[in-house]
Amino acid sequence: DIQMTQSPSTLSASVGDRVTITCRASESISNRLAWYQQKPGKAPELVIYKASSLESGVPSRFSGSGSGTEFTLTISGLQPDDFATYYCQQYNRYWTFGQGTKVEIK
Amino acid sequence: QVQLVESGGGVVQPGRSLRLSCAASGFTFSNYAMHWARLAPGRGLEWVAGMLNDGSEDYYADSVKGRFTISRDNSKRTLSLQMNNLRADDTAVYYCARGMGVGGYRPFDNWGQGTLVTVSS
Repeated sequence: DIQMTQSPSTLSASVGDRVTITCRASESISNRLAWYQQKPGKAPELVIYKASSLESGVPSRFSGSGSGTEFTLTISGLQPDDFATYYCQQYNRYWTFGQGTKVEIK
Repeated sequence: QVQLVESGGGVVQPGRSLRLSCAASGFTFSNYAMHWARLAPGRGLEWVAGMLNDGSEDYYADSVKGRFTISRDNSKRTLSLQMNNLRADDTAVYYCARGMGVGGYRPFDNWGQGTLVTVSS
């Protein structure tokens, strides 16, 4: 099974900050990586797919990069609506989520 | 617009069974792979099961293999999850999700609001 490891588990930041979340795969997954945002009591929402492609309707302050085993999600200019938990997901072989990164208000 | 509505959750005793359903609308259901994922209290998201658009292949997480069965009825635009021999660690909100585009290994571009399953004596 492919394991996905996110860091950090929790990130404290202020509005306007640039934040970066890292996701590592236990084996190469090419660019078959997605990022999701989930708020309490709500369904997850797709933010990034194919490592760096922005899902339709997602603000351009979100960006993704990486390939192989190391990936990052960057939010440039954190907005109040961005405080949430973010998950990476590999879909190269079956589907596996990372354990999540909670972005909280500093 | 795409809508996925889950139903069938509830409280069930360990060892018993439950069947979840997901009603789809707003897109051509038979063109998309569909999945179930769950969010357990204090834990992260976990993919549970998936099925190709035509029902020809299904996939399961190791944690549910042999206990859960995914199925679909394209004529009724419905996805189901039969859960047998339930355990306490199956307690979670279960989400129905659509695979993006055509084909097998894709991310999930639309999700339902979820249905809560609680396994407790």
